[in-house]
Amino acid sequence: DVKVTQSSRYLVKRTGEKVFLECVQDMDHENMFWYRQDPGLGLRLIYFSYDVKMKEKGDIPEGYSVSREKKERFSLILESASTNQTSMYLCASGGASRAAGEQYFGPGTRLTVT
Amino acid sequence: GIQVEQSPPDLILQEGANSTLRCNFSDSVNNLQWFHQNPWGQLINLFYIPSGTKQNGRLSATTVATERYSLLYISSSQTTDSGVYFCAVEGFANDYKLSFGAGTTVTVRA
Repeated sequence: DVKVTQSSRYLVKRTGEKVFLECVQDMDHENMFWYRQDPGLGLRLIYFSYDVKMKEKGDIPEGYSVSREKKERFSLILESASTNQTSMYLCASGGASRAAGEQYFGPGTRLTVT
Repeated sequence: GIQVEQSPPDLILQEGANSTLRCNFSDSVNNLQWFHQNPWGQLINLFYIPSGTKQNGRLSATTVATERYSLLYISSSQTTDSGVYFCAVEGFANDYKLSFGAGTTVTVRA
């Protein structure tokens, strides 16, 4: 079975803190993705990576950065957390070459910024 | 980008009932997936079905790519089927990006 894990299920941070969300996949997928999910706005793509050290912006990259130093690990970084970044963050992996492919999601991290 | 519309937005079922969820999309796609989001928030893969028909237990799905829609069938529903069902598509020119519908919230009552 494909397994995608995320470092935390729940996280509470203060405004201005630097926040790291980590995602690990065990299926040797080339592509990894970070989404956020908000009521009424659905799932929105923040960043994705199609190879180690490669990244591309999704639809809402502002306020976020990412790091992919190893194929199995994709980190989302909130440089200075703000209350409007309170959300559910979902990591996914899957696909190969230049295609989204069949994506598999991790359990999600509910982040609250106070 | 591709527009994805799911219907109905909400569905309430009695345990044992059958139902059909629909996903319409605005352009040709090379990737279509159905997901179930459980009460804890995790998205579970149901089907990867850019075309054709697949079945998995009580669930089945059909995608008619030429007419730009997909259907998800739930038969003999159980309370564990409750949750939000999402359809997501990738167009030929979208390069990596899945576009998600707004979801159908299914509530199965015992």
